[in-house]
Amino acid sequence: SQQGEEDPQALSIQEGENATMNCSYKTSINNLQWYRQNSGRGLVHLILIRSNEREKHSGRLRVTLDTSKKSSSLLITASRAADTASYFCAPQGANNLFFGTGTRLTVIP
Amino acid sequence: NAGVMQNPRHLVRRRGQEARLRCSPMKGHSHVYWYRQLPEEGLKFMVYLQKENIIDESGMPKERFSAEFPKEGPSILRIQQVVRGDSAAYFCASSPTGGTAYEQYFGPGTRLTVT
Repeated sequence: SQQGEEDPQALSIQEGENATMNCSYKTSINNLQWYRQNSGRGLVHLILIRSNEREKHSGRLRVTLDTSKKSSSLLITASRAADTASYFCAPQGANNLFFGTGTRLTVIP
Repeated sequence: NAGVMQNPRHLVRRRGQEARLRCSPMKGHSHVYWYRQLPEEGLKFMVYLQKENIIDESGMPKERFSAEFPKEGPSILRIQQVVRGDSAAYFCASSPTGGTAYEQYFGPGTRLTVT
């Protein structure tokens, strides 16, 4: 399956700490995207990392991709209460995205 | 530039009725994707459309579900004779072109409840 699998399923940290979420997948991909979803809302695109890239940064976000291990990680530094949400990785095949069940991040003020 | 628009945001249907979900992509985007999210689960791909063409419908249930993206107007996801198991959030996303080079931008979703 191309579906991404996030780990851990849930993560609770104090404000100011860093949060790391991992993603594994099983087949070859063209790129991998990370999204955030606040409860009951739509998805917000965070970062797209292509299969020939190893690391990408965007503000407080850092994404890595290891295609040999078929894994990716999302690091949020200096977390804020507003970062509380579910985070999904989505490996991308030819057309569509394959979402996992997500990591529920809770940042405690 | 308005984002992806979906309507209605909430839809309640009785078993056996039809549900029509609409999606207007971002301006300049000609590719639309529909996903379904069951409670406590991730999004599952349903169908990928370009204007007037279905490109990939490998995630669509074989019966009762259909999708279109006409030359003019929004993309429509139609569910006939709804059943309780169809209750879910349905999201559409759009991109300026297909393939793997672009992010998909998601709408706020339509939450379908079948009673």
